[in-house]
Amino acid sequence: GAVVSQHPSWVICKSGTSVKIECRSLDFQATTMFWYRQFPKQSLMLMATSNEGSKATYEQGVEKDKFLINHASLTLSTLTVTSAHPEDSSFYICSARDLKLRENYEQYFGPGTRLTVT
Amino acid sequence: AQSVSQHNHHVILSEAASLELGCNYSYGGTVNLFWYVQYPGQHLQLLLKYFSGDPLVKGIKGFEAEFIKSKFSFNLRKPSVQWSDTAEYFCAVNASGGSYIPTFGRGTSLIVHP
Repeated sequence: GAVVSQHPSWVICKSGTSVKIECRSLDFQATTMFWYRQFPKQSLMLMATSNEGSKATYEQGVEKDKFLINHASLTLSTLTVTSAHPEDSSFYICSARDLKLRENYEQYFGPGTRLTVT
Repeated sequence: AQSVSQHNHHVILSEAASLELGCNYSYGGTVNLFWYVQYPGQHLQLLLKYFSGDPLVKGIKGFEAEFIKSKFSFNLRKPSVQWSDTAEYFCAVNASGGSYIPTFGRGTSLIVHP
């Protein structure tokens, strides 16, 4: 099956620093990748949709200057949390669509990245 | 825009009990429906999905779900749960009107006592 990886799996950073999270589709090409945020015991909140070679589309209420998304290739998207603050601490999950299964629009999820800002 | 409701937020069962988790969505057009499971400390895994055809869908680990279009429902069932089924369960819907971007329900926490 389609595999999506994320790196790092967990990261601790100091307040005010920036953190980059990578999302890769390992065995398929993904025209679209999605970034979610999940708070403890809550559902996934879509932050943005990332299309290869174009600017990301952010959901309402998500600061695009704080959460920088780059989708440089069909297998890699990055999320950079700039000037992180403790309230940015969360579980960040990416997902990707398989170009060849476009008609089904199924997503494949990465394992997530636990960000803790101290 | 579509929305998804999962009415059971917390479910506690004993092993061998039957399970049914409710999922209702609101969208008038054609939808694709999914159930995902998230085991403690792990990432989301697809349990089953419905795109078209037989409304009774069988997934992994003995789970099944039935799509009832008239009720806008896609309830998840398992006849006999195991302790290892303890996890968070998420229902999700995508549709052409939403660019096939899925909307997730808030999830149901299932605890199975041995």
